Parts: sequence; C-alpha cells; structure tokens
Amino acid sequence: NAGVTQTPKFRILKIGQSMTLQCTQDMNHNYMYWYRQDPGMGLKLIYYSVGAGITDKGEVPNGYNVSRSTTEDFPLRLELAAPSQTSVYFCASSSGTGGYNEQFFGPGTRLTVL
Amino acid sequence: AQSVSQHNHHVILSEAASLELGCNYSYGGTVNLFWYVQYPGQHLQLLLKYFSGDPLVKGIKGFEAEFIKSKFSFNLRKPSVQWSDTAEYFCAVNDRGSTLGRLYFGRGTQLTVWP
Repeated sequence: NAGVTQTPKFRILKIGQSMTLQCTQDMNHNYMYWYRQDPGMGLKLIYYSVGAGITDKGEVPNGYNVSRSTTEDFPLRLELAAPSQTSVYFCASSSGTGGYNEQFFGPGTRLTVL
Repeated sequence: AQSVSQHNHHVILSEAASLELGCNYSYGGTVNLFWYVQYPGQHLQLLLKYFSGDPLVKGIKGFEAEFIKSKFSFNLRKPSVQWSDTAEYFCAVNDRGSTLGRLYFGRGTQLTVWP
C-alpha cells in the first residue's frame, strides 16, 4: 500500500513551458486535492475532486487545470509556466465525505520556474 | 472564509525543553481541528485531531493539543522535546458541516531542537 505518490519530485521549467504533475493514490479514496505551499506560507488549495469526472476550483486555481478520469489518478496541468508558480505542490486524498476524514498527503513536487 | 494563525514562525529549543505552539482560527461555525507535521524531506503526516468531546487530545509521539473554544485556539504541546521532533508543524481547520472537508492551513512553525 503506497498511499499517495507524486511524480516528479523536482522539476525546473522555463517560463512558458508546460508540464503535468502526476498524483496517484491506491486507497480507493473518492476525494483528492491539490495544494501549493509557498515559503513561509501555509498550504493553499488549487483544485479538488470528489470523484472520477468531477472537479472544481479551490482558492488559487489560475494557471492550472486538472482532470479526474479514474479514482486513482488526479494530474495537475500547468499550461504556461510563470515564475509565480514556483512552489512545492502537494497532492492529498481522503475517503468518505465531510470534515471527519483524514487527508493523506503525497511527498510533494518541488517546481522552479525560471 | 476561515483563517488560521500560527504566531510562532520559528522556534528553537534544546532537548528536554517543553514546547507550546500557538494556533488560532477565525470561523463562526463549528470546526474540526488538526495538527500536521512535516519532517525534513517527508510528506505531511497527521499528528492529532479534534472533532468533539474532551478538549484535550493526545496524538502520536507524546504530543497533545487543547481546544479552547472561547479563545478559538488549538495549541500544540509536548512536555519534553527530542532532537527527532525537528520539523515543520501546521495547524489546520475545516468546516464540520462541509461535505468537502477542505482544510485551511496556518503558515506553519519550524521547530528546531538542538541535542
């Protein structure tokens, strides 16, 4: 049981390039989330999904897109990378509904845009 | 929207010292409260959580936290820290009535423990 896995661990992009951050969970969780963590700041929600085929925006969605074609996978897409997207990105998942369910986090992807 | 404040950005302690990290939140409704820990190079892990009942909750590795509703606080404590407690600690809340369970995080407190 690997939990939540993310790839890649590190990535450097040039301004305007695109990339996809991968996230996979093997716990059969319906809820999945993407957060970004900027230095000295807490995690902020980018996008979330409550099940396959259902996604919605979080607090800071601009510049990102997501899809959820399967329960296991929740990739995050950056279309035109900008320096403001330099951050650490965390994927998380939880079971059930509501606030009583623990969120399990992946190891993160450290992205630098130059 | 909810907000979470962690007043200590960086705490430095010697081993065996006592620890208290402050966390305050602002929200008019009923919340669930969490402390997450991120050890160097690792992902966030749940340290402890409060949903209801006894406001003093115990978590892993000897940590505990006390929910004081009147002060909107959920401070984290440990009587005697160890070098291995060096990590970043995040307080988080969510709306108990929300089906999404979205977490609102504080900015984190970096704890450094010297042996």
